[in-house]
Amino acid sequence: SSELIQDPAVSVALGQTVRITCQGDSLRTYYASWYQQKPGQAPVLVFYGKNKRPSGIPDRFSGSSSGNTASLTVTGAQAEDEADYYCHSRDSSDNHVFGGGTKVTVL
Amino acid sequence: QVQLQQWGAGLLKPSETLSLTCAVYGASFSDYYWSWIRQPPGKGLEWIGEINHSGSANYNPSLKNRVTISLDTSKSQFSLKLSSVTAADTAVYYCARRNFLMVIDIFYDYYYFMDVWGQGTTVSVSS
Repeated sequence: SSELIQDPAVSVALGQTVRITCQGDSLRTYYASWYQQKPGQAPVLVFYGKNKRPSGIPDRFSGSSSGNTASLTVTGAQAEDEADYYCHSRDSSDNHVFGGGTKVTVL
Repeated sequence: QVQLQQWGAGLLKPSETLSLTCAVYGASFSDYYWSWIRQPPGKGLEWIGEINHSGSANYNPSLKNRVTISLDTSKSQFSLKLSSVTAADTAVYYCARRNFLMVIDIFYDYYYFMDVWGQGTTVSVSS
């Protein structure tokens, strides 16, 4: 089955920019979607596809993709952006897979 | 506003069958796939499987032998059954709507994403 690889943790200074990456073969064919999860809460979709941001998600969240790597960028990180972030993709077998998650700490 | 509300038994013994149900409010049941995802304590998300309105289901290969996802269209509900549970199945279980968007750019692009989630149900397996 396919696999998505994320860095376990990353930190960012308040107001600075952080990029979270996700690598996997399925990303050569399918765009990733990205989820933010805060402790004790269900995940929330924050970005998907080439350039789609759900209603209510701040425009400081953006995404990009190249080859087998997808990225989620938070430009001007705020304290409330501190959370776990997961990427997700479909694979060629009609299955779905999540990355292992990246813990973002805002300093 | 679309909402998913889920429920089910939270404490099981090894070898029992996990059973959860998710009710869909405010969305057409027939236009989407309906998914189950779980998260063991302190770990990441794991996709379990999904089903559409016609009963076509896809399962995580690692769980396929133990998982059944079904639906009751008359009630706009879908359910998860996981047999022969062990402590490794202890997790928060989420239901979610799996959406799909086709975008025509230079080529056809297909976006798959989980845009609505249930509140989660904690399931513990212990003897």
